[in-house]
Amino acid sequence: NAGVTQTPKFQVLKTGQSMTLQCAQDMNHNSMYWYRQDPGMGLRLIYYSASEGTTDKGEVPNGYNVSRLNKREFSLRLESAAPSQTSVYFCASSPEDRAPNTGELFFGEGSRLTVL
Amino acid sequence: RKEVEQDPGPFNVPEGATVAFNCTYSNSASQSFFWYRQDCRKEPKLLMSVYSSGNEDGRFTAQLNRASQYISLLIRDSKLSDSATYLCVVPNSGYSTLTFGKGTMLLVSP
Repeated sequence: NAGVTQTPKFQVLKTGQSMTLQCAQDMNHNSMYWYRQDPGMGLRLIYYSASEGTTDKGEVPNGYNVSRLNKREFSLRLESAAPSQTSVYFCASSPEDRAPNTGELFFGEGSRLTVL
Repeated sequence: RKEVEQDPGPFNVPEGATVAFNCTYSNSASQSFFWYRQDCRKEPKLLMSVYSSGNEDGRFTAQLNRASQYISLLIRDSKLSDSATYLCVVPNSGYSTLTFGKGTMLLVSP
């Protein structure tokens, strides 16, 4: 059972470089999310996609773009990385858009990004 | 009040102890509440849901106090394997996504 797969798992960037974090789920879930987790800050929502073809901003969207490529895939792009974007990034998915009612978020293993 | 706030940690307890974590929330309209568990350097995973007054699952009990807008997680007979960070999660005010608390770390020692 693959579940939610994120790539890469580790990445080091220099300030100003760009990169894309990839996320794919094989559970036929409609909704997908990108969170970042920083020490002392908890998990904060960057962007989410309630269904294929839609995306919405979360709590901390600045400096990021997303693409819901199809139902399975939801990518997160950093156009010009900054040290403040050093974090652990988690992709998650949920059945339909019921996460607020059921609490069912299935997370990937995380991607650790360091921006120098 | 912030959307969700948790007890600061870490909580250091011996095996067999009972420990409780509290979490306060701001959205009085919330009908559902959740506790997630996150092991060190791992992804969060859903532990328990609370929809009414409370929920019990083995050694774990989650309780809800709507009047005071807080939920709690009680762990009885703590095991070494319970060592983790426990995240309180509530729907956001628009009920479109979930908001995570900063988490409370539990360390269970022999």
